[in-house]
Amino acid sequence: DIQMTQSPSTLSASVGDRVTITCRASQSISSWLAWYQQKPGKAPKLLIYEASSLQSGVPSRFSGSGSGTEFTLIINNLQPEDFATYYCQRYNVNARTFGQGTKVEVK
Amino acid sequence: EVQLVESGGDLVQPGGSLRLSCAASGFTFNNYWMSWVRQAPGKGLEWLAIINPDGSATDFVDSVRGRFTISRDNAKNSLFLQMNSLRVEDTAVYYCARDWPGCGRCSADYWGQGTLVTVSS
Repeated sequence: DIQMTQSPSTLSASVGDRVTITCRASQSISSWLAWYQQKPGKAPKLLIYEASSLQSGVPSRFSGSGSGTEFTLIINNLQPEDFATYYCQRYNVNARTFGQGTKVEVK
Repeated sequence: EVQLVESGGDLVQPGGSLRLSCAASGFTFNNYWMSWVRQAPGKGLEWLAIINPDGSATDFVDSVRGRFTISRDNAKNSLFLQMNSLRVEDTAVYYCARDWPGCGRCSADYWGQGTLVTVSS
């Protein structure tokens, strides 16, 4: 099974910061990677798909990059509503796997 | 408007069974793969199962394979998760999600609000 490893697990940041979250796949998944944002008590929200495509309605301060086994989510100019937990997910074959999550908290 | 509404969550004893449902609306249900995802209290997301548009192909995470079954009724725009031999560690909020080809080239682009399953004696 393909494992997805995110880092860091927790990230402390301030409004206006640039935040970088990394996701590593245990084998190549081409660009079949998505990023989700989840706030407490809510369902996850799709931010990025196919590694770098911005989902409709998602602010342009969110961006994704990478292919193969190394992927990055960047949040520029962090806003108060961006404090949340972020998950990567691979979807290169029928099965899917999430990373363990990265909590972005207030510094 | 795409909507997914889960139901069926309950308190069940270890070893028991439960069937979750997900009612879909606002899109052509039989064009999409559908997934179930769960989240244990205070934990991360765990993908569980997927089914193809006509119900002929499924896949599961190892932790539920052989205990859980995913199915769908395209005539009723409904997705199901039959859960047998439930364990305490199956306690979680269970989400259904519209999968491939959501947004054209993405996985879970729409999610339900979740339904809580508690396994306890």
